[in-house]
Amino acid sequence: GAVVSQHPSWVICKSGTSVKIECRSLDFQATTMFWYRQFPKQSLMLMATSNEGSKATYEQGVEKDKFLINHASLTLSTLTVTSAHPEDSSFYICSTELAETYEQYFGPGTRLTVT
Amino acid sequence: QKEVEQDPGPLSVPEGAIVSLNCTYSNSAFQYFMWYRQYSRKGPELLMYTYSSGNKEDGRFTAQVDKSSKYISLFIRDSQPSDSATYLCAMIGSGAGSYQLTFGKGTKLSVIP
Repeated sequence: GAVVSQHPSWVICKSGTSVKIECRSLDFQATTMFWYRQFPKQSLMLMATSNEGSKATYEQGVEKDKFLINHASLTLSTLTVTSAHPEDSSFYICSTELAETYEQYFGPGTRLTVT
Repeated sequence: QKEVEQDPGPLSVPEGAIVSLNCTYSNSAFQYFMWYRQYSRKGPELLMYTYSSGNKEDGRFTAQVDKSSKYISLFIRDSQPSDSATYLCAMIGSGAGSYQLTFGKGTKLSVIP
């Protein structure tokens, strides 16, 4: 399967600041990456689909101006949480997809705590 | 009715037991079925992947898909304490409106030594 890394693994920031999370596909070129959010004891919720070289597609209810996604290369997608608030505290996970089979491989996740 | 239903548990079994995890779904367009294992505060790890109906075995894990009943299962034989995790079923279709990977809520499993 594909290997995906995320950085940082845990970040604490103050309310009102912005935080950038990186997602890297280490062993294959990913034209599509996905960003999920997971609250405690809940399942993964898709936030957006990140497409290399084009704008991300956001799910209903996800503010695109608050969660900025950049997929500038085939191996890197970034998620920037702008003007973070305590309610943005969550576990953010990215994934890549094998287009032929729809298998998704996930990164280790980034835990965001906004104080 | 939610698209994917999964009993959240928790499920507690003794070491060595056979574990049965299940999901039901309502969208007949789903064709690809996956099981993920997620340890606490880690990303999900793909365990099993099946296409359409049938069985697939990989070591101690067996995945079953019954599309006629819209029911999928994951069996774990000779369960180990290291199997303690949350197991998520996920599925995706190839038809319009079903391209998004849809997850169950996850079943939390504890294997007691």
